[in-house]
Amino acid sequence: TQLLEQSPQFLSIQEGENLTVYCNSSSVFSSLQWYRQEPGEGPVLLVTVVTGGEVKKLKRLTFQFGDARKDSSLHITAAQPGDTGLYLCAGAGNYQLIWGAGTKLIIKP
Amino acid sequence: NAGVTQTPKFRVLKTGQSMTLLCAQDMNHEYMYWYRQDPGMGLRLIHYSVGEGTTAKGEVPDGYNVSRLKKQNFLLGLESAAPSQTSVYFCASSYRGGRNTEAFFGQGTRLTVV
Repeated sequence: TQLLEQSPQFLSIQEGENLTVYCNSSSVFSSLQWYRQEPGEGPVLLVTVVTGGEVKKLKRLTFQFGDARKDSSLHITAAQPGDTGLYLCAGAGNYQLIWGAGTKLIIKP
Repeated sequence: NAGVTQTPKFRVLKTGQSMTLLCAQDMNHEYMYWYRQDPGMGLRLIHYSVGEGTTAKGEVPDGYNVSRLKKQNFLLGLESAAPSQTSVYFCASSYRGGRNTEAFFGQGTRLTVV
């Protein structure tokens, strides 16, 4: 069974600080996606990483796929209150996505 | 552009009652999914469909049934609701599976079984 473990489960920091969220597995995935979910809404895709070692940037968010395609990280620089939400990673299987449990992020002004 | 629409948004059921959750997508996607989301457990796949007329079990299928009679609709049924089925249910669709597939989600249905 493929599993994705996210850490930390919860993070509350002050505006302007940096943070990193991790997504780890013992399985290899063909790609890994990061989603953000706001209260009362469904998850929305932020980025897909496909190649081992790949780095993608989305404004202040940096996503990296591990060389072995078993893990990924999300780094936020100078976090803002608008970054508050639940961040989910998902690994691509043949017919379905394998989901991590999520990291709940709160950025305090 | 509606995307994925779920109805209803909220529902309270008594134990033993039945109901159907409706999901409609207007993006001509082949794949559709039903998930439940519980605190600290992320998204768990209930059932999914890879095309019209096909369905398959996911991680937590017990107590649920699904049908995909039309490509754009995916229905989730609870035949005899139990308190353990209290959850937020999300429908999602994707063009297909595989490495570059983006899943599009509805806004969710908050179900409480008392």
